[in-house]
Amino acid sequence: DTEVTQTPKHLVMGMTNKKSLKCEQHMGHRAMYWYKQKAKKPPELMFVYSYEKLSINESVPSRFSPECPNSSLLNLHLHALQPEDSALYLCASSQGLLTGELFFGEGSRLTVL
Amino acid sequence: QKEVEQNSGPLSVPEGAIASLNCTYSDRGSQSFFWYRQYSGKSPELIMFIYSNGDKEDGRFTAQLNKASQYVSLLIRDSQPSDSATYLCAVSMEYGNKLVFGAGTILRVKS
Repeated sequence: DTEVTQTPKHLVMGMTNKKSLKCEQHMGHRAMYWYKQKAKKPPELMFVYSYEKLSINESVPSRFSPECPNSSLLNLHLHALQPEDSALYLCASSQGLLTGELFFGEGSRLTVL
Repeated sequence: QKEVEQNSGPLSVPEGAIASLNCTYSDRGSQSFFWYRQYSGKSPELIMFIYSNGDKEDGRFTAQLNKASQYVSLLIRDSQPSDSATYLCAVSMEYGNKLVFGAGTILRVKS
């Protein structure tokens, strides 16, 4: 069983919808990440939170809005997405910032119509 | 030049053979190196990490690092069909302080 839980597992939304992806970890990790992965491509880093503060934003469009309400939770708010944003969105956590020892959740597969 | 390069494969090996997966990286200052396994439709899972030159063994897996050649590899001994997956090499880059993934190598183990 994964110790990083993501919901929902699947999401279909229209381009005018607002939705959110949620991620939770109970390993006491202080860094949490959002990655985007397209088919047959490696994960691409989107955002990194360290101690609940945004540390890295990889020039992600503003239609993606991250939020870290506390050290265990990470959200990704979605608004006015485009069909090309359809992908697997992966949440990960790590003990400290920028260690490569990441624990990934199972991902949320997003389809934008 | 890509920051982390891997042969996309597929690499096909018979069951019981040694699978050798290779990765090169561009940042000479990189210090930490990771191998993730990703089954189709699943999320990546960390299987090995190595920080020092030489070999590191864990069960059937051996990671090898040569910083002078900027080369890291993963050997899988006694390959099993359940090892069939995409193997992602990831390098913690000194500049930008970020983890960069290679494109991954597809491994197929034939029974």
